[in-house]
Amino acid sequence: NAGVTQTPKFQVLKTGQSMTLQCAQDMNHEYMSWYRQDPGMGLRLIHYSVGAGITDQGEVPNGYNVSRSTTEDFPLRLLSAAPSQTSVYFCASSTGLPRGETQYFGPGTRLLVL
Amino acid sequence: DQQVKQNSPSLSVQEGRISILNCDYTNSMFDYFLWYKKYPAEGPTFLISISSIKDKNEDGRFTVFLNKSAKHLSLHIVPSQPGDSAVYFCAASDLGSGNTGKLIFGQGTTLQVKP
Repeated sequence: NAGVTQTPKFQVLKTGQSMTLQCAQDMNHEYMSWYRQDPGMGLRLIHYSVGAGITDQGEVPNGYNVSRSTTEDFPLRLLSAAPSQTSVYFCASSTGLPRGETQYFGPGTRLLVL
Repeated sequence: DQQVKQNSPSLSVQEGRISILNCDYTNSMFDYFLWYKKYPAEGPTFLISISSIKDKNEDGRFTVFLNKSAKHLSLHIVPSQPGDSAVYFCAASDLGSGNTGKLIFGQGTTLQVKP
């Protein structure tokens, strides 16, 4: 049982490049989320999913796309990277019940956009 | 507008003493509050939570207090240990989120416990 895994751990992009941050969980959790962590800002919700085929926007969705074709995977796509997207990205999964306790976070992906 | 605020970026305490981390919120629809702990290069891990129907929840050395009228919660760690040194995030969810796992986080407070 690996929990929540994220790849890559670190990535450097040039402005305008695209990439996909991978997230997978093996706990059969329905709910998955993407957060970004920036200094002085805490963690901010980018997108979330309440099940396969269902996604919705969080606080800061602009510049990011997601899809949820399977229960296990929830990739985050940057179509045209910008320096403002330099951040640490965390994926999380949850059963949703009881609220909050069962939200597990991955180890994070550190992204640098030049 | 920051709906969950942790106004102290850092806190330093001596081993064995009490650590008190504070959190304020503005959204009266928040009904569930959580504290997460984060070590460098790791993801946050759940520490303790409290529902708005309670004013206190205790788990070992960790106690969370909720003052709904003041929209304020605090995390008490007694006694503090060097291994508690980490970043602590306060988080909240509202009734409209149901059980979606959507959380609103504060900025975090870095706790340093000195031996």
